[in-house]
Amino acid sequence: DADVTQTPRNRITKTGKRIMLECSQTKGHDRMYWYRQDPGLGLRLIYYSFDVKDINKGEISDGYSVSRQAQAKFSLSLESAIPNQTALYFCATSEGTANYGYTFGSGTRLTVV
Amino acid sequence: GEDVEQSLFLSVREGDSSVINCTYTDSSSTYLYWYKQEPGAGLQLLTYIFSNMDMKQDQRLTVLLNKKDKHLSLRIADTQTGDSAIYFCADWPVSGNTPLVFGKGTRLSVIA
Repeated sequence: DADVTQTPRNRITKTGKRIMLECSQTKGHDRMYWYRQDPGLGLRLIYYSFDVKDINKGEISDGYSVSRQAQAKFSLSLESAIPNQTALYFCATSEGTANYGYTFGSGTRLTVV
Repeated sequence: GEDVEQSLFLSVREGDSSVINCTYTDSSSTYLYWYKQEPGAGLQLLTYIFSNMDMKQDQRLTVLLNKKDKHLSLRIADTQTGDSAIYFCADWPVSGNTPLVFGKGTRLSVIA
């Protein structure tokens, strides 16, 4: 099994719908992150959490919310999806020390029509 | 805030060396990373270098760090078609309590 699992892998949804992307990890890491990737814009941080009781906004949090249900689970919600939220979404985890960087999931490709 | 810059595209012929460059602004960065993203996949850590090192070599990969110029490079020797991917540079700020800062990624195309 993958260390970081994202579900679903692909999703098409309609404008205005609420959608949740889920992330679970088996690394035992305290820190988890949500990024979106758009061509030419690289990775942009949406939200991050350094432990179960800690939630922080990233550079592009508007229109998104998160829930850290447990150390291993971090979900991202789009409350009312809009077409410019069409992107590839990645979840990642890390330890508190820098030695090994981040471990990424395989991504969720979201299309809002 | 911290900024990490990379050129967006690089094209090389199979068998040649590839050099992907990155500049960063935080002079107190502790770790710098290179990640590889293959088509349809997530990012995988390729290698990293600690800020007190100038060079790190791992098989076909050589990382050079010039702290004075805040410049990081990744050299891939004998580039193969399987090296075609997007390569991201990332920086871990010294505090350790802020997330990694990623560059926009360099798309490497290897021509057979």
